Amino acid sequence: AQKVTQAQTEISVVEKEDVTLDCVYETRDTTYYLFWYKQPPSGELVFLIRRNSFDEQNEISGRYSWNFQKSTSSFNFTITASQVVDSAVYFCALSEARGAAGNKLTFGGGTRVLVKP
Amino acid sequence: EPEVTQTPSHQVTQMGQEVILRCVPISNHLYFYWYRQILGQKVEFLVSFYNNEISEKSEIFDDQFSVERPDGSNFTLKIRSTKLEDSAMYFCASQAGTSTGELFFGEGSRLTVL
Repeated sequence: AQKVTQAQTEISVVEKEDVTLDCVYETRDTTYYLFWYKQPPSGELVFLIRRNSFDEQNEISGRYSWNFQKSTSSFNFTITASQVVDSAVYFCALSEARGAAGNKLTFGGGTRVLVKP
Repeated sequence: EPEVTQTPSHQVTQMGQEVILRCVPISNHLYFYWYRQILGQKVEFLVSFYNNEISEKSEIFDDQFSVERPDGSNFTLKIRSTKLEDSAMYFCASQAGTSTGELFFGEGSRLTVL
């Protein structure tokens, strides 16, 4: 069974500080996908980034970057130079490709990020 | 940019009433999902739907729940007799195929059962 753990329940920072969100996952599959979603106070789920299990290259996209390490089953996410608009709950999610069953997402418990001005 | 749309955005109902939540997935997508998020908790998988049938469902998705795609565009979730614990945000998602793994979510329908 797949499992996603986000140990940090809430992080509070001052604007312009960097924020790193931790995510640890468990899966028996060799092919899987990892995601980060943002849920602002308005409630919708906003897709941020995706990573495939066979590509461990870490990248930067604007103020977002991620660190995927298969050896430790971790997929950490960093927001650089945080802004007040980054205040939201951030969910890490894992998906296993199961053919006709689709890609069921398993979500972590979420980390609430509060960016203070 | 194509998006998944859900209606209603918020519904209040009495316990025991039937509720239908509607979703219009992205055109040409093949896989459809419903997820649920009880206030302050994690997002939980309910059901996946492919080729006009349920492909997988969770323990939460009991006999009170049903899904259908009646006209090739809408994808509905029906709760036959709502309970207080069904109060939650319900998210619909669609997916083009399984090669990329990405699901596109709607903005959610908040259900309040009194």
